[in-house]
Amino acid sequence: EPEVTQTPSHQVTQMGQEVILRCVPISNHLYFYWYRQILGQKVEFLVSFYNNEISEKSEIFDDQFSVERPDGSNFTLKIRSTKLEDSAMYFCASSEAVTGRISGNTIYFGEGSWLTVV
Amino acid sequence: AQTVTQSQPEMSVQEAETVTLSCTYDTSESDYYLFWYKQPPSRQMILVIRQEAYKQQNATENRFSVNFQKAAKSFSLKISDSQLGDAAMYFCAVNSGGSNYKLTFGKGTLLTVNP
Repeated sequence: EPEVTQTPSHQVTQMGQEVILRCVPISNHLYFYWYRQILGQKVEFLVSFYNNEISEKSEIFDDQFSVERPDGSNFTLKIRSTKLEDSAMYFCASSEAVTGRISGNTIYFGEGSWLTVV
Repeated sequence: AQTVTQSQPEMSVQEAETVTLSCTYDTSESDYYLFWYKQPPSRQMILVIRQEAYKQQNATENRFSVNFQKAAKSFSLKISDSQLGDAAMYFCAVNSGGSNYKLTFGKGTLLTVNP
């Protein structure tokens, strides 16, 4: 069964450093997402990406965050200058994004990238 | 805006018994989709079951079934014949689709299965 893959599974970085989290969405999917889960809290939407541009972003997704689809298969999340409060599990996800049927609206998640900022 | 409320932070069940996890939601959309995701200790987000709001028939997936009450905006998950591997955090989520494909999650219910 196709799946979303993410790298790295775990990264430790120093505060102020740049981090890039990578994802390969399911191949026929059109919509891509990043979600974040701080330890012990619920999963929060960061950003959605469609047709090579940001479709929607949350208030969490400020100027230190950016997303890119550099080569037609990878989807990346960059955090420009990490802060302690950026420590979280970051989930990449994708969906077919076809209106009117549940398969098009089902979002599939990767296994997550656990980011620790020290 | 969408909201999801899971009123049970923790639940426990004996192995082989049945447990029901509660979820209520709110959305202004008429067309939307509801999901339960399971998050085991590995922290992966695994889709358990899904339901189209326009379908009156409750979704079932092996030992997992939902009780969808659209008027009450309630979407509970029933796990029958609970197994030790069912122990996990369970998140209820709503996706209003259309131009807004994002999922909104509840805070989760931690399910413990006792042998």
